[in-house]
Amino acid sequence: GNSVTQMEGPVTLSEEAFLTINCTYTATGYPSLFWYVQYPGEGLQLLLKATKADDKGSNKGFEATYRKETTSFHLEKGSVQVSDSAVYFCALTNQGGSEKLVFGKGTKLTVNP
Amino acid sequence: DGGITQSPKYLFRKEGQNVTLSCEQNLNHDAMYWYRQDPGQGLRLIYYSQIVNDFQKGDIAEGYSVSREKKESFPLTVTSAQKNPTAFYLCASSLGLAGAKNIQYFGAGTRLSVL
Repeated sequence: GNSVTQMEGPVTLSEEAFLTINCTYTATGYPSLFWYVQYPGEGLQLLLKATKADDKGSNKGFEATYRKETTSFHLEKGSVQVSDSAVYFCALTNQGGSEKLVFGKGTKLTVNP
Repeated sequence: DGGITQSPKYLFRKEGQNVTLSCEQNLNHDAMYWYRQDPGQGLRLIYYSQIVNDFQKGDIAEGYSVSREKKESFPLTVTSAQKNPTAFYLCASSLGLAGAKNIQYFGAGTRLSVL
């Protein structure tokens, strides 16, 4: 079946540090890949997505590249801010069929000033 | 503004009581979902619905029930059979289930506690 594995958190960084949150997946066929962000006390918001191999999703300074050869979709940001403190979820869904969205367990990021 | 509205924001349940969480969307989406979020466990799917008058069990449906009588509404009932209901409940919707249609939009959540 489909699954997503994220790096365990929590992750604590200083402001302006470089961020990487690792995400690898197992899926049949050609999944679409997503990163969602959850700020404290809120629901999830779509951060970025990629629907085919070598696509790069980007938003708000965050980037992730769909790497089929390594089955990965790592989230990166060059310079984090305190306002980026949140929980980040990697997720996938398969093209076609009626596959549900499968989430990783989430990685909590804290950015200190 | 288009979006998903969950109510109430906080809810308290007494022993043996059923409680219903509301979820309304005005995005004209066909598919709707309910998730449960516990600390450190990510999101677990309770129920989902692809279309009006149809719904399917997710991974942890026991002790919960849903209905989908209208496209815009997908209420979740936490029954007395759910012995550990304390959690954060999230409702979501999407155009559909397949591939790029399954971009899910979430409500702000309902936090349920047991008295």
